[in-house]
Amino acid sequence: DGGITQSPKYLFRKEGQNVTLSCEQNLNHDAMYWYRQDPGQGLRLIYYSQIVNDFQKGDIAEGYSVSREKKESFPLTVTSAQKNPTAFYLCASSMKGDTEAFFGQGTRLTVV
Amino acid sequence: QKEVEQDPGPLSVPEGAIVSLNCTYSNSAFQYFMWYRQYSRKGPELLMYTYSSGNKEDGRFTAQVDKSSKYISLFIRDSQPSDSATYLCAMRINTDKLIFGTGTRLQVFP
Repeated sequence: DGGITQSPKYLFRKEGQNVTLSCEQNLNHDAMYWYRQDPGQGLRLIYYSQIVNDFQKGDIAEGYSVSREKKESFPLTVTSAQKNPTAFYLCASSMKGDTEAFFGQGTRLTVV
Repeated sequence: QKEVEQDPGPLSVPEGAIVSLNCTYSNSAFQYFMWYRQYSRKGPELLMYTYSSGNKEDGRFTAQVDKSSKYISLFIRDSQPSDSATYLCAMRINTDKLIFGTGTRLQVFP
């Protein structure tokens, strides 16, 4: 089946640790995005990439890092510098930047 | 002022009602408009995608874009309890990043 796969579905992290969230798509989409969703704040853009080996910061990039070594993969690392990492993280992709975007099922990260 | 404004609700309606969900925006350069439905603890699901002004219909759903007023709407006819979810509007300029509203929570009761 074609789609976007995020893993894991739930993730627990101790304070001070880095964690990496996985996002894989087999839709042959060029663009990929990471969003963070908090109650009452909607989706906020962390990073996006429109082509392999290139990515841009979104509105809340501090404390996060990404890579785009392959077209189908766009992992997000939540570093210890992110002060409030507990949130629901969503990955999306689109064929080109000017078409509709499709989402994965999300990863819920909790800092314990 | 946020680029995209959306009433968070909740909006509670009886089954069979016509639902109107709306977003306003400030940047007249937005050209591509989307509506997503998100069930609790799930990723958003694309419902409607429109380019520039006009109407688009798909089954019980109709999307309207009024660029002169910077206003977009999603209408749901014959609403069902299964339509209960959060509805997110989103928009973009050309190939730029996608900007979302905060979402409106809809409850359809039997």
